[in-house]
Amino acid sequence: EVQLVQSGAEVKKPGESLKISCKGSGYSFSNYWIGWVRQMPGKGLEWMGIIYPGDSDTKYSPSFQGQVTISADKSISTAYLQWSSLKASDSATYYCARQDAGLFHYWGQGTLVTVSS
Amino acid sequence: DIQMTQSPSSLSASVGDRVTIACRASQGISNYLAWYQQQPGKVPKVLIYAASTLQSGVPSRFSGSGSGTDFTLTISSLQPEDVATYYCQKYNSAPLTFGGGTKVEIK
Repeated sequence: EVQLVQSGAEVKKPGESLKISCKGSGYSFSNYWIGWVRQMPGKGLEWMGIIYPGDSDTKYSPSFQGQVTISADKSISTAYLQWSSLKASDSATYYCARQDAGLFHYWGQGTLVTVSS
Repeated sequence: DIQMTQSPSSLSASVGDRVTIACRASQGISNYLAWYQQQPGKVPKVLIYAASTLQSGVPSRFSGSGSGTDFTLTISSLQPEDVATYYCQKYNSAPLTFGGGTKVEIK
Protein backbone atom coordinates (compact mmCIF):
# COMPACT_ATOMS: atom_id res chain seq x y z
CA GLU A 1 0.00 0.00 0.00
CA VAL A 2 1.35 3.40 -1.00
CA GLN A 3 1.63 5.72 1.99
CA LEU A 4 2.99 9.20 2.51
CA VAL A 5 3.41 10.13 6.15
CA GLN A 6 4.19 13.73 7.01
CA SER A 7 5.80 15.18 10.09
CA GLY A 8 3.66 16.74 12.78
CA ALA A 9 2.27 20.19 13.29
CA GLU A 10 4.71 23.02 13.95
CA VAL A 11 4.40 26.33 15.78
CA LYS A 12 7.18 28.77 14.97
CA LYS A 13 8.05 32.44 15.34
CA PRO A 14 8.67 34.78 12.42
CA GLY A 15 12.28 34.59 11.29
CA GLU A 16 12.79 31.01 12.44
CA SER A 17 13.76 28.19 10.11
CA LEU A 18 11.78 25.03 9.55
CA LYS A 19 12.07 21.73 7.69
CA ILE A 20 9.06 19.44 7.37
CA SER A 21 9.18 15.92 6.01
CA CYS A 22 7.22 13.40 3.98
CA LYS A 23 8.17 9.72 4.20
CA GLY A 24 7.04 7.40 1.44
CA SER A 25 6.47 3.68 1.73
CA GLY A 26 4.94 0.86 -0.24
CA TYR A 27 6.57 1.80 -3.53
CA SER A 28 9.93 2.63 -5.11
CA PHE A 29 10.42 6.11 -3.69
CA SER A 30 13.23 7.03 -6.09
CA ASN A 31 11.09 6.55 -9.19
CA TYR A 32 8.17 8.91 -8.62
CA TRP A 33 8.03 12.68 -8.44
CA ILE A 34 6.91 14.07 -5.08
CA GLY A 35 5.15 17.42 -5.01
CA TRP A 36 4.30 19.94 -2.31
CA VAL A 37 0.99 21.80 -2.15
CA ARG A 38 0.10 24.71 0.13
CA GLN A 39 -3.38 25.36 1.48
CA MET A 40 -3.76 28.52 3.49
CA PRO A 41 -6.63 28.61 6.01
CA GLY A 42 -9.94 28.55 4.15
CA LYS A 43 -8.23 28.92 0.79
CA GLY A 44 -7.44 26.86 -2.27
CA LEU A 45 -4.67 24.53 -3.32
CA GLU A 46 -1.39 26.02 -4.51
CA TRP A 47 1.19 23.89 -6.31
CA MET A 48 4.62 24.74 -4.89
CA GLY A 49 7.00 22.42 -6.67
CA ILE A 50 8.12 18.87 -7.25
CA ILE A 51 11.24 16.75 -6.86
CA TYR A 52 12.38 13.50 -8.44
CA PRO A 53 14.16 11.68 -5.62
CA GLY A 54 16.14 9.50 -8.02
CA ASP A 55 18.31 12.41 -9.15
CA SER A 56 16.95 15.32 -7.06
CA ASP A 57 15.72 17.15 -10.17
CA THR A 58 13.48 19.90 -8.80
CA LYS A 59 10.97 22.26 -10.35
CA TYR A 60 9.41 25.21 -8.51
CA SER A 61 6.36 27.34 -9.08
CA PRO A 62 7.48 30.90 -9.81
CA SER A 63 5.42 31.96 -6.79
CA PHE A 64 7.55 29.85 -4.46
CA GLN A 65 10.96 29.93 -6.18
CA GLY A 66 13.46 31.37 -3.71
CA GLN A 67 10.96 31.23 -0.85
CA VAL A 68 11.29 27.53 -0.01
CA THR A 69 13.66 24.66 -0.69
CA ILE A 70 12.50 21.21 -1.73
CA SER A 71 14.87 18.31 -1.21
CA ALA A 72 14.83 14.55 -0.82
CA ASP A 73 16.91 11.76 0.69
CA LYS A 74 16.19 8.63 -1.31
CA SER A 75 18.15 6.47 1.14
CA ILE A 76 15.41 7.01 3.72
CA SER A 77 12.53 7.57 1.27
CA THR A 78 11.87 11.06 2.57
CA ALA A 79 11.17 14.38 0.91
CA TYR A 80 11.50 17.73 2.63
CA LEU A 81 10.18 21.26 2.44
CA GLN A 82 12.14 23.92 4.22
CA TRP A 83 12.15 27.61 5.01
CA SER A 84 15.16 29.63 6.14
CA SER A 85 13.16 32.52 7.58
CA LEU A 86 9.45 32.03 8.20
CA LYS A 87 6.84 34.73 7.84
CA ALA A 88 3.34 34.89 9.29
CA SER A 89 2.02 34.46 5.76
CA ASP A 90 3.63 30.99 5.64
CA SER A 91 0.97 29.77 8.07
CA ALA A 92 -0.84 27.03 6.20
CA THR A 93 -1.31 23.32 5.80
CA TYR A 94 1.31 21.76 3.56
CA TYR A 95 0.64 18.52 1.71
CA CYS A 96 3.06 16.25 -0.03
CA ALA A 97 1.72 14.08 -2.84
CA ARG A 98 3.08 11.48 -5.22
CA GLN A 99 2.84 12.44 -8.84
CA ASP A 100 1.76 9.76 -11.33
CA ALA A 101 1.82 10.97 -14.94
CA GLY A 102 1.18 14.47 -13.66
CA LEU A 103 -1.65 13.53 -11.31
CA PHE A 104 -1.60 13.52 -7.52
CA HIS A 105 -3.26 10.24 -6.55
CA TYR A 106 -1.55 9.71 -3.22
CA TRP A 107 -1.40 12.42 -0.58
CA GLY A 108 0.15 12.82 2.82
CA GLN A 109 -2.09 13.75 5.73
CA GLY A 110 -0.86 17.35 5.74
CA THR A 111 1.38 19.32 8.10
CA LEU A 112 -0.07 22.41 9.76
CA VAL A 113 2.48 25.18 10.12
CA THR A 114 1.61 28.11 12.34
CA VAL A 115 3.88 31.14 12.38
CA SER A 116 3.09 33.63 15.09
CA SER A 117 4.96 35.94 17.39
CA ASP B 1 3.07 30.71 -16.95
CA ILE B 2 -0.41 29.39 -17.67
CA GLN B 3 -3.14 30.55 -15.33
CA MET B 4 -6.20 28.44 -14.48
CA THR B 5 -9.45 30.28 -13.79
CA GLN B 6 -12.50 28.56 -12.36
CA SER B 7 -16.07 29.79 -12.21
CA PRO B 8 -18.12 30.18 -10.22
CA SER B 9 -16.12 30.39 -6.99
CA SER B 10 -19.09 28.96 -5.11
CA LEU B 11 -22.56 27.65 -5.81
CA SER B 12 -25.55 26.35 -3.93
CA ALA B 13 -27.87 23.80 -5.52
CA SER B 14 -30.56 21.35 -4.51
CA VAL B 15 -30.17 17.60 -4.27
CA GLY B 16 -30.78 16.15 -7.72
CA ASP B 17 -29.79 19.31 -9.58
CA ARG B 18 -27.36 19.32 -12.47
CA VAL B 19 -24.25 21.31 -11.56
CA THR B 20 -21.65 22.67 -13.95
CA ILE B 21 -18.25 24.11 -13.09
CA ALA B 22 -16.04 25.82 -15.64
CA CYS B 23 -12.25 25.99 -15.85
CA ARG B 24 -10.34 28.11 -18.33
CA ALA B 25 -6.63 27.95 -19.11
CA SER B 26 -4.87 31.10 -20.24
CA GLN B 27 -3.16 29.09 -22.99
CA GLY B 28 -3.97 25.81 -24.65
CA ILE B 29 -3.17 22.69 -22.64
CA SER B 30 -4.66 20.07 -24.97
CA ASN B 31 -6.48 17.64 -22.67
CA TYR B 32 -3.98 17.73 -19.78
CA LEU B 33 -6.63 18.74 -17.31
CA ALA B 34 -7.64 17.00 -14.09
CA TRP B 35 -10.46 17.65 -11.64
CA TYR B 36 -10.04 17.08 -7.91
CA GLN B 37 -12.61 16.93 -5.14
CA GLN B 38 -11.72 18.03 -1.63
CA GLN B 39 -14.40 17.20 0.91
CA PRO B 40 -14.32 19.15 4.19
CA GLY B 41 -11.39 18.08 6.35
CA LYS B 42 -10.04 15.62 3.79
CA VAL B 43 -7.22 15.51 1.28
CA PRO B 44 -8.05 16.06 -2.39
CA LYS B 45 -8.78 13.13 -4.66
CA VAL B 46 -8.71 12.80 -8.42
CA LEU B 47 -12.16 12.64 -10.04
CA ILE B 48 -11.31 13.07 -13.70
CA TYR B 49 -8.13 13.18 -15.74
CA ALA B 50 -7.33 13.75 -19.40
CA ALA B 51 -10.23 16.21 -19.29
CA SER B 52 -12.92 13.53 -19.57
CA THR B 53 -11.66 10.20 -18.20
CA LEU B 54 -13.38 9.14 -15.00
CA GLN B 55 -11.02 7.91 -12.30
CA SER B 56 -11.77 4.35 -11.20
CA GLY B 57 -14.31 4.24 -8.39
CA VAL B 58 -15.75 7.70 -9.04
CA PRO B 59 -19.54 7.76 -9.47
CA SER B 60 -20.77 8.09 -13.04
CA ARG B 61 -22.76 11.23 -12.19
CA PHE B 62 -19.44 13.06 -12.54
CA SER B 63 -18.26 13.88 -16.05
CA GLY B 64 -15.74 16.17 -17.69
CA SER B 65 -15.41 17.73 -21.09
CA GLY B 66 -13.32 20.20 -23.02
CA SER B 67 -9.99 20.60 -24.70
CA GLY B 68 -7.52 23.38 -25.36
CA THR B 69 -8.49 26.20 -23.04
CA ASP B 70 -12.06 25.56 -21.90
CA PHE B 71 -13.15 22.71 -19.67
CA THR B 72 -16.23 21.71 -17.72
CA LEU B 73 -16.99 19.45 -14.78
CA THR B 74 -20.60 18.33 -14.54
CA ILE B 75 -22.40 16.61 -11.71
CA SER B 76 -25.55 15.22 -13.31
CA SER B 77 -27.52 14.80 -10.10
CA LEU B 78 -26.11 16.47 -7.04
CA GLN B 79 -25.93 14.30 -3.92
CA PRO B 80 -25.33 15.33 -0.30
CA GLU B 81 -21.92 13.63 -0.30
CA ASP B 82 -20.85 15.90 -3.18
CA VAL B 83 -20.53 18.86 -0.82
CA ALA B 84 -16.90 19.77 -1.40
CA THR B 85 -14.57 22.16 -3.12
CA TYR B 86 -13.62 21.22 -6.67
CA TYR B 87 -10.33 22.16 -8.30
CA CYS B 88 -9.09 21.88 -11.84
CA GLN B 89 -5.38 21.36 -12.46
CA LYS B 90 -3.25 21.51 -15.58
CA TYR B 91 -0.61 18.83 -15.79
CA ASN B 92 0.99 19.14 -19.20
CA SER B 93 4.13 20.74 -17.78
CA ALA B 94 5.39 22.44 -14.63
CA PRO B 95 4.13 24.49 -12.90
CA LEU B 96 1.13 22.19 -12.44
CA THR B 97 -1.20 25.02 -11.51
CA PHE B 98 -4.52 24.53 -9.76
CA GLY B 99 -7.58 26.63 -10.39
CA GLY B 100 -8.92 28.72 -7.55
CA GLY B 101 -11.60 26.21 -6.59
CA THR B 102 -15.39 26.03 -6.62
CA LYS B 103 -17.18 25.40 -3.36
CA VAL B 104 -20.38 23.38 -3.82
CA GLU B 105 -23.06 23.46 -1.16
CA ILE B 106 -26.54 22.03 -0.82
CA LYS B 107 -29.41 24.52 -0.86
